[in-house]
Amino acid sequence: GQQLNQSPQSMFIQEGEDVSMNCTSSSIFNTWLWYKQDPGEGPVLLIALYKAGELTSNGRLTAQFGTTRKDSFLNISASIPSDVGIYFCAGQLPSGNTGKLIFGQGTTLQVKP
Amino acid sequence: GAVVSQHPSWVICKSGTSVKIECRSLDFQATTMFWYRQFPKQSLMLMATSNEGSKATYEQGVEKDKFLINHASLTLSTLTVTSAHPEDSSFYICSARDTSRLSGNSPLHFGNGTRLTVT
Repeated sequence: GQQLNQSPQSMFIQEGEDVSMNCTSSSIFNTWLWYKQDPGEGPVLLIALYKAGELTSNGRLTAQFGTTRKDSFLNISASIPSDVGIYFCAGQLPSGNTGKLIFGQGTTLQVKP
Repeated sequence: GAVVSQHPSWVICKSGTSVKIECRSLDFQATTMFWYRQFPKQSLMLMATSNEGSKATYEQGVEKDKFLINHASLTLSTLTVTSAHPEDSSFYICSARDTSRLSGNSPLHFGNGTRLTVT
């Protein structure tokens, strides 16, 4: 089945540093989404990308939809302690339009004050 | 923004009993909702697609008779874990998309999840 490879698996950084994580796949997606999940809660949408090559920002977060439609990255600039959590990429396949998503394995981010 | 409400947020039940989890879209209609399961330190795994007015579509390996899904209205889907066992203990999360946005550019929004513990 389709899989998303997300890396890195975890990161431990100093407050103020920039962070970058990415997802790749052997399949083409028509939508890429980035979510953040805090412990015991559901994922919260950070950024949605709908076009190949699209670069979108949301505050300190920037994400891009790869031109091949098989990859995406998320950057967090000037990290702060509340950025701690698990970040998931998710891709929606072109076939059909039901909204079914495939998730990456997640990147656990820890920020040291 | 779109809000998905899930209830209960946590439940503890005895082995052999059944548990019902509700998922509601609060400010939009959703003909399709999705049920995910997440084990500790793992990603979200899609269990089934809930379709309003018709049968749910289950992913490979998910027992439809064990995980009963009912999508009786455009704003409510329920997941019932029947004859629960300790291995069913997990974090169950529902999601929905605003299907009134016909262009398709409407991302999935997730509920806050239900922590199920089967003793």
